[in-house]
Amino acid sequence: DAGITQSPRYKITETGRQVTLMCHQTWSHSYMFWYRQDLGHGLRLIYYSAAADITDKGEVPDGYVVSRSKTENFPLTLESATRSQTSVYFCASRAGAHTDTQYFGPGTRLTVL
Amino acid sequence: TQLLEQSPQFLSIQEGENLTVYCNSSSVFSSLQWYRQEPGEGPVLLVTVVTGGEVKKLKRLTFQFGDARKDSSLHITAAQPGDTGLYLCAGPYNQGGKLIFGQGTELSVKP
Repeated sequence: DAGITQSPRYKITETGRQVTLMCHQTWSHSYMFWYRQDLGHGLRLIYYSAAADITDKGEVPDGYVVSRSKTENFPLTLESATRSQTSVYFCASRAGAHTDTQYFGPGTRLTVL
Repeated sequence: TQLLEQSPQFLSIQEGENLTVYCNSSSVFSSLQWYRQEPGEGPVLLVTVVTGGEVKKLKRLTFQFGDARKDSSLHITAAQPGDTGLYLCAGPYNQGGKLIFGQGTELSVKP
């Protein structure tokens, strides 16, 4: 199916564990993004990528690692999860310019105990 | 630092009422976008405005980009329960293709 998918949709983990959230898009969009959404903060950018092998930090990158070896995949890893990383995580992709539509995945709800 | 400030943050109205949501900044934006998000889903783009003073209509929704390109508004006429959701404005931030979002306006329209 065409589109942007995220997995898992729900995840419960413990403090200190490593967690990887997956994101896959089928459009060959150049740009991909990871956001977290918390009450009162809207969507905050964690990391983004302009193309394969090109990544850069967003507003809140601490504690997260990304990679983009293939255009269609953009995994987000929490190296040692903390309770403050409990959130809903959204992946997004965009073809190019700022005025293009940015498409969002359905989100991953992560709980860190 | 929140570059895009939305107001109000919460809005609860009755079906048939009109409402306006504001998105303000001290910075000039080359474009602004409005997204709508329903519970359990990702945001979906409603409109992009690119020219100062531009007005775009989407059925009962009217979007305006300020003349100075520092603010935007979303006006809903005769709101319906189906309009319930989180409305987010977004704009390009610095270089590199980043999009920054306002904190959102949670709209509830009661029948």
